[in-house]
Formats: sequence, C-alpha cells, structure tokens
Amino acid sequence: GAVVSQHPSWVICKSGTSVKIECRSLDFQATTMFWYRQFPKQSLMLMATSNEGSKATYEQGVEKDKFLINHASLTLSTLTVTSAHPEDSSFYICSARAAAVALRAQYFGPGTRLTVT
Amino acid sequence: GESVGLHLPTLSVQEGDNSIINCAYSNSASDYFIWYKQESGKGPQFIIDIRSNMDKRQGQRVTVLLNKTVKHLSLQIAATQPGDSAVYFCAETPTGNQFYFGTGTSLTVIP
Repeated sequence: GAVVSQHPSWVICKSGTSVKIECRSLDFQATTMFWYRQFPKQSLMLMATSNEGSKATYEQGVEKDKFLINHASLTLSTLTVTSAHPEDSSFYICSARAAAVALRAQYFGPGTRLTVT
Repeated sequence: GESVGLHLPTLSVQEGDNSIINCAYSNSASDYFIWYKQESGKGPQFIIDIRSNMDKRQGQRVTVLLNKTVKHLSLQIAATQPGDSAVYFCAETPTGNQFYFGTGTSLTVIP
C-alpha cells in the first residue's frame, strides 16, 4: 500500500519557538493532504486541507497564522506551529490522497508527537 | 467541522467473542463512511468503508452496518483477537473530500 511518512516522529520545544513538521508521500503523488491534531484519548480533529500549489483551507476555529501549512510539491506538505505554547502539545497526523482515486485511498502518516515546555 | 459521536467510549470483550462498536453521525448529507483502527502512537488504519446506498458491507471478520434513518453506523468484529485491541473511529464525509472523525471507542480484548 501507499506510504506516508512524517518527520520528526516526536519533538520537544520551548514555549515561544516555532516547529515544522513534514509530511511526505513516498510512493505516490498527493494532490491533497490533510492535517489533524489529536489530544490524548480523544479523536482526530481536522485542522486543514492542503492542495498542492494553493493555499490551505482551514477548518473553523483553527488559526491559520498559528498553523502555517505549505504544500509546495506533490509529495511534501509542511505544518509549522508558530510561537508554540504548552496547549499546542498534541499528536499531529497528516494524511494524503492522490487525484482521481477512491475516497478510501487516504493514507495516514504515523504522527508527530509535539511537546511544548 | 461535523459532529460524529460514539455511544461507548470503552469496550472490553473476551477473546473469541464478537465485538460491536457503534457510531452516530450528525450530517444527513454524508454519503460515505469509513471505519479506522488506531493503535497507540500510530496513525489510523483503514478497516472497511460503506456508501450511503448500502446498508451492510462485509470484509474479513468485519461487517459494517449503516442505518441512514437514525444516522447510525456499527462495526462488528467476529471472533475478536488480542490484536484487535485498539481505538476504533468512524469517519464521515459530507463533502467527498474532508473526513470528520467520531469520538472513538477503545476496544480491549481479554485473553
């Protein structure tokens, strides 16, 4: 099956700093990527939809200036958490889909654990 | 985002028994649903899907039932095994693009 990777798998940063998380589709071209966050023992919350070459579409309540998303190529999307605070500590998961494929063909990355101290 | 909820946050079953995990969804416009399995510290894995023009779909050891009248989904796992222990989410899409996840059920299989 298709493989999606994320880097780093975990990161610890100090409050006020920015952190970049990468999401890569390793063996297919992802025209659309999605970013989710997940708090412990909770569900995945969709943050934004990212289409290659265009601006991301953010879900209601998600601050676009705080969570910067760049989908510069068909295999890479990045999420930058700017001026991170402890409440941003969470598990961030991306998923990727190719164009013109079945809806089931959304492949998830392994997630990135962010801890802000 | 959409609201997709689950009735049971935790479920414990004996190995070999059948498991039933339920999910209520809120958007009647949703026409496609997926069940995912998530193991600790990992991303979700696809289990089975169903379109709104169906009321039942079977896979290997799993069956998904859809009741559009009451906006309810269920996932049945036959002969539950220890490897089935995980958190299970249903997800819906009213847009054909974005997926919205339910609250999740933690399944524990007792050997």
